[in-house]
Amino acid sequence: AQSVTQPDIHITVSEGASLELRCNYSYGATPYLFWYVQSPGQGLQLLLKYFSGDTLVQGIKGFEAEFKRSQSSFNLRKPSVHWSDAAEYFCAVSNDYKLSFGAGTTVTVRA
Amino acid sequence: DAGVIQSPRHEVTEMGQEVTLRCKPISGHNSLFWYRQTMMRGLELLIYFNNNVPIDDSGMPEDRFSAKMPNASFSTLKIQPSEPRDSAVYFCASSLAPGGSETQYFGPGTRLLVL
Repeated sequence: AQSVTQPDIHITVSEGASLELRCNYSYGATPYLFWYVQSPGQGLQLLLKYFSGDTLVQGIKGFEAEFKRSQSSFNLRKPSVHWSDAAEYFCAVSNDYKLSFGAGTTVTVRA
Repeated sequence: DAGVIQSPRHEVTEMGQEVTLRCKPISGHNSLFWYRQTMMRGLELLIYFNNNVPIDDSGMPEDRFSAKMPNASFSTLKIQPSEPRDSAVYFCASSLAPGGSETQYFGPGTRLLVL
């Protein structure tokens, strides 16, 4: 069965600093991988997704993620964090239609 | 595009009452999903419809939960009778088609509190 692990429950980062959120997946075949962001009181918004091709994926809001098959990882990065990036981030893996989400990582941005 | 529309945004009810959550998917999307988000269990898929037909309802917690999709532009999730442990945020999502690479677009959610 597919599953996702996000090892970090909470990360605090200074505004302007870089951010990396970890995601490890378990899936038998080539995975479809997603990163979503959830701002307080809001729904989930897709940041980026990977399903084939270039292993470095560019997304919205300046985010990127790198798929590493050998490490079963799909880590999310942003070079310079803005205060508006404070939110909860979810990594997900898809099998056909079913999205399985990680537990999420809450990002706090300090001034 | 208006995105996925859910109503109500907030619902407070008493134990034993019937609760109906509503969803309008993005026009032209053929797949619709209901998810539940809780602190304990995270985001869970409750039920998946394709072309208005329920395909996978294995995530529906018990018989108190039911979902319908009478047409391509409307779906309901009903809880009868409601219990305090049903308190959660319920999300509706839609995608253009089934398939692992398809993006699911989420609505803003309905925050349900059962007292």
